[in-house]
Amino acid sequence: DTAVSQTPKYLVTQMGNDKSIKCEQNLGHDTMYWYKQDSKKFLKIMFSYNNKELIINETVPNRFSPKSPDKAHLNLHINSLELGDSAVYFCASSQPGRRVDFFGQGTRLTVV
Amino acid sequence: ELKVEQNPLFLSMQEGKNYTIYCNYSTTSDRLYWYRQDPGKSLESLFVLLSNGAVKQEGRLMASLDTKARLSTLHITAAVHDLSATYFCAVDINSGAGSYQLTFGKGTKLSVIP
Repeated sequence: DTAVSQTPKYLVTQMGNDKSIKCEQNLGHDTMYWYKQDSKKFLKIMFSYNNKELIINETVPNRFSPKSPDKAHLNLHINSLELGDSAVYFCASSQPGRRVDFFGQGTRLTVV
Repeated sequence: ELKVEQNPLFLSMQEGKNYTIYCNYSTTSDRLYWYRQDPGKSLESLFVLLSNGAVKQEGRLMASLDTKARLSTLHITAAVHDLSATYFCAVDINSGAGSYQLTFGKGTKLSVIP
């Protein structure tokens, strides 16, 4: 069974569109994360979220918004996509205070 | 702002050789992680180092942590082609409400040449 699953795996879309990436974890973890990996393979935290609090990296544009329908899901919604949004987006999860070592397989977003 | 620096960023080595990847970080943290990423794949957790002097070994890889020097090393012994991948170190900080955010180094792309 996949611990952290993301869909879609690949997403190609035009500038200006709105898109969502879905993430689900079946580990019973309380905290979920979104990370962005750019073309140079540099990984950076975007959000962390548990049922109490959303922590936003201040460098993330407000076009990006995480949405959590329940504890097992944290979706990433992106408005008005730009070319610079092209990257691989990873979802991850952890228990409070525990290590973060469960990553999804990534979603490769290409904005054309 | 926490900064994590890895070196080298690119490493090409022959099979059978030994080498060390270094990871320096700028502020106090109790946990350091090493991940492996194969091309087009996700991140695989290799080691979590929790305390000063911690040393962990798995196969041909050994990781150590010196919290006083804010330095971790990933030592590769007798490299084989299967170790070719990108290796990331990461340090976590408590971002509140039980969330720990990882700050990653830029990664070391390792190529092991037969």
